[in-house]
Amino acid sequence: SQQGEEDPQALSIQEGENATMNCSYKTSINNLQWYRQNSGRGLVHLILIRSNEREKHSGRLRVTLDTSKKSSSLLITASRAADTASYFCAAGSGAQKLVFGQGTRLTINP
Amino acid sequence: ETGVTQSPTHLIKTRGQQVTLRCSSQSGHNTVSWYQQALGQGPQFIFQYYREEENGRGNFPPRFSGLQFPNYSSELNVNALELDDSALYLCAGRTSNTEAFFGQGTRLTVV
Repeated sequence: SQQGEEDPQALSIQEGENATMNCSYKTSINNLQWYRQNSGRGLVHLILIRSNEREKHSGRLRVTLDTSKKSSSLLITASRAADTASYFCAAGSGAQKLVFGQGTRLTINP
Repeated sequence: ETGVTQSPTHLIKTRGQQVTLRCSSQSGHNTVSWYQQALGQGPQFIFQYYREEENGRGNFPPRFSGLQFPNYSSELNVNALELDDSALYLCAGRTSNTEAFFGQGTRLTVV
């Protein structure tokens, strides 16, 4: 069973708007990673935030991490049609496995 | 380009058969992990190899087994296939405590 959860499960917005996805996890972590998946194919790594970091930016992506609440959020600004995909958070505990949530299905409407 | 390739991309097997999935990771990826992703779900951890030794396993039965080779390639073997084994199987390579780089996956269908 999944040990993380993304919220919302599905999100549909207009091109140019911002998209925010939330993630909660249950384990202690060394890092929290976000991935994108197009059409059920491989996962593309987007960003990694370490447990001692609170916010991180990469291009149009902004990730926050609140270890006290065991939660993270991913913000995609100025969305584009190409951002349409499923987004997953994954809790990383050092050298061990990644624990994924069920994902958020993001649709960007032109 | 993630530096991780998987083969085959699609596979159809009959219930009860055995299957071997392959993964080739780039030099330096001393850790390889395998995940199973059912339709509409997030990936579930199967097991992980570090320097050719299994060093972590998820909640999967022993009929799921694996190997890692010195050339950074890896195999996932599944015996006595069941219908519920139908899924996308993902391989990921990484160095210690860094982001994982995933292959495009193998879509296994068991009929």
